[in-house]
Amino acid sequence: TQLLEQSPQFLSIQEGENLTVYCNSSSVFSSLQWYRQEPGEGPVLLVTVVTGGEVKKLKRLTFQFGDARKDSSLHITAAQPGDTGLYLCAGEVFYDYKLSFGAGTTVTVRA
Amino acid sequence: DADVTQTPRNRITKTGKRIMLECSQTKGHDRMYWYRQDPGLGLRLIYYSFDVKDINKGEISDGYSVSRQAQAKFSLSLESAIPNQTALYFCATSEGDSQETQYFGPGTRLLVL
Repeated sequence: TQLLEQSPQFLSIQEGENLTVYCNSSSVFSSLQWYRQEPGEGPVLLVTVVTGGEVKKLKRLTFQFGDARKDSSLHITAAQPGDTGLYLCAGEVFYDYKLSFGAGTTVTVRA
Repeated sequence: DADVTQTPRNRITKTGKRIMLECSQTKGHDRMYWYRQDPGLGLRLIYYSFDVKDINKGEISDGYSVSRQAQAKFSLSLESAIPNQTALYFCATSEGDSQETQYFGPGTRLLVL
């Protein structure tokens, strides 16, 4: 059983549409991170959220950390083919000093 | 040059063989990690090291061992490879602060026949 549950597992949308990926847990995290991974490469950090209720924006990407620090979401506005990839959430439990990863959401944006 | 390198990038081996995957970093980070990635399971931690004299088991360490030869080098060994160890293996490093970023290598694709 994974500490972080991501949904959906797969998402295929048309260019210009919006999408949301969810990351949920019953555990409380000191911080939560989102990574993006492209084929043949390792994951690359997109953002870290650390405060309950925090919202961070990175161009067309909006990240939210739940008030209770148990969940997070990633919203992409007007998706582009370049957004295609595997999106992974990862959480650090207080004083654990390690990351637990979700299973990932594979996003495909069709031109 | 890449900050975190892994060798080999691809490896095919047979059941029962011993193999070693190597990781080197030029970021000067103390913390290093080994993960495996399987479809639908995400990244799972095998071993991690917070400095040269520190080795810790992760959630799936059975069948694996590691060696931290220097701050910059962290090797993963499969003592007797089995087919269910077929996976994509990633090395990562971090500075050691809270809310830390992990920097990943490009991965090693391992196939055990």
